[in-house]
Amino acid sequence: DVKVTQSSRYLVKRTGEKVFLECVQDMDHENMFWYRQDPGLGLRLIYFSYDVKMKEKGDIPEGYSVSREKKERFSLILESASTNQTSMYLCASSSAGLAGTGELFFGEGSRLTVL
Amino acid sequence: TQLLEQSPQFLSIQEGENLTVYCNSSSVFSSLQWYRQEPGEGPVLLVTVVTGGEVKKLKRLTFQFGDARKDSSLHITAAQPGDTGLYLCAGDRTNAGKSTFGDGTTLTVKP
Repeated sequence: DVKVTQSSRYLVKRTGEKVFLECVQDMDHENMFWYRQDPGLGLRLIYFSYDVKMKEKGDIPEGYSVSREKKERFSLILESASTNQTSMYLCASSSAGLAGTGELFFGEGSRLTVL
Repeated sequence: TQLLEQSPQFLSIQEGENLTVYCNSSSVFSSLQWYRQEPGEGPVLLVTVVTGGEVKKLKRLTFQFGDARKDSSLHITAAQPGDTGLYLCAGDRTNAGKSTFGDGTTLTVKP
């Protein structure tokens, strides 16, 4: 069964702390994505990557960075967490081989609370 | 400006009723996906539509892609409490998974 695994389901951090959110997929997908989901705002794309060591900004990259050192792993980093980064973070992957579909496979989400 | 408009935002119905959720845009999409999300979980893919005018059926769920590939609908027949959840449409203009999501429709089916 295909799987996208996010390292932490729930995290509580303090303002100013550095936060790492890890995501691993076992489907050999080329593309990986980080979204955040907030009530009334839907899913918004933070960063994405089409290949190892490649990254591109999404719609709301400010305050975030990412790392993709291996094909299966895509990490989201909050250098200095702030309360407005309290959110549900969703990692997703897709295959470049599924031409014409754009289908995303999501992890279970990481609920981050910044105090 | 929201690229994908979903309606209604909230829907509460009784078990056995039928319902339709709409996803509209002024943009043309290469493909459009529908996802279902339960509280505290990630979205799960239900279907992908690619061809204008395409209709796909998944048990009691019927998905339609508009002829111009700008809009889509999800129709559920004889809704059940297990259908309760957040339904999201997402459009991909690049076929690379860089999708734009609608705000979702929260469906509650009461027994």
